[in-house]
Amino acid sequence: GQNIDQPTEMTATEGAIVQINCTYQTSGFNGLFWYQQHAGEAPTFLSYNVLDGLEEKGRFSSFLSRSKGYSYLLLKELQMKDSASYLCAVRSNDYKLSFGAGTTVTVRA
Amino acid sequence: SAVISQKPSRDICQRGTSLTIQCQVDSQVTMMFWYRQQPGQSLTLIATANQGSEATYESGFVIDKFPISRPNLTFSTLTVSNMSPEDSSIYLCSVEDLSPEFVSYGYTFGSGTRLTVV
Repeated sequence: GQNIDQPTEMTATEGAIVQINCTYQTSGFNGLFWYQQHAGEAPTFLSYNVLDGLEEKGRFSSFLSRSKGYSYLLLKELQMKDSASYLCAVRSNDYKLSFGAGTTVTVRA
Repeated sequence: SAVISQKPSRDICQRGTSLTIQCQVDSQVTMMFWYRQQPGQSLTLIATANQGSEATYESGFVIDKFPISRPNLTFSTLTVSNMSPEDSSIYLCSVEDLSPEFVSYGYTFGSGTRLTVV
């Protein structure tokens, strides 16, 4: 099974940087995904890591360390529209995703 | 990425009745996934639907309660049977976006079905 932990809430100021950590314990790791979900909407894909290291996509970056069972999502130059829930999800070898409980990020002016 | 049309977007149902949710994908996919998202919580996988075989259910979910059909590679339905207020939730379908070389571009979700059971 999967055990995925991420903080419940984070608050940051517009223009700042926020790092959301995710730790996991899994049987059969086959990639880690980050999703953004605004209230009342479906999750949207942000990033995917299957190898160790940093993946950068514009203002968003994601890091993975498989040996430590650890990932983070880095959000730079925060904008008000970045206020949302951020979900860490681990894929197992049978291509199923298991989601963490999500981190609600609130961006203040 | 794949585009998924999910219907209905929302419904209010009487307890004891059933609701069938449909997902249509604009491309052929091997696996389709059904999730439940209860209020204020994260997504929980209900089952994986493969064309031509029985769906695979996760622990805590059974076929009698959540029967799934997968008649072809672009379509699937999930039925929520004999509903109770505890079934009030958002239900989402999902597929994985893969390149021809099977590189993952993430999973795309349908827009969700918000179900309220009264």
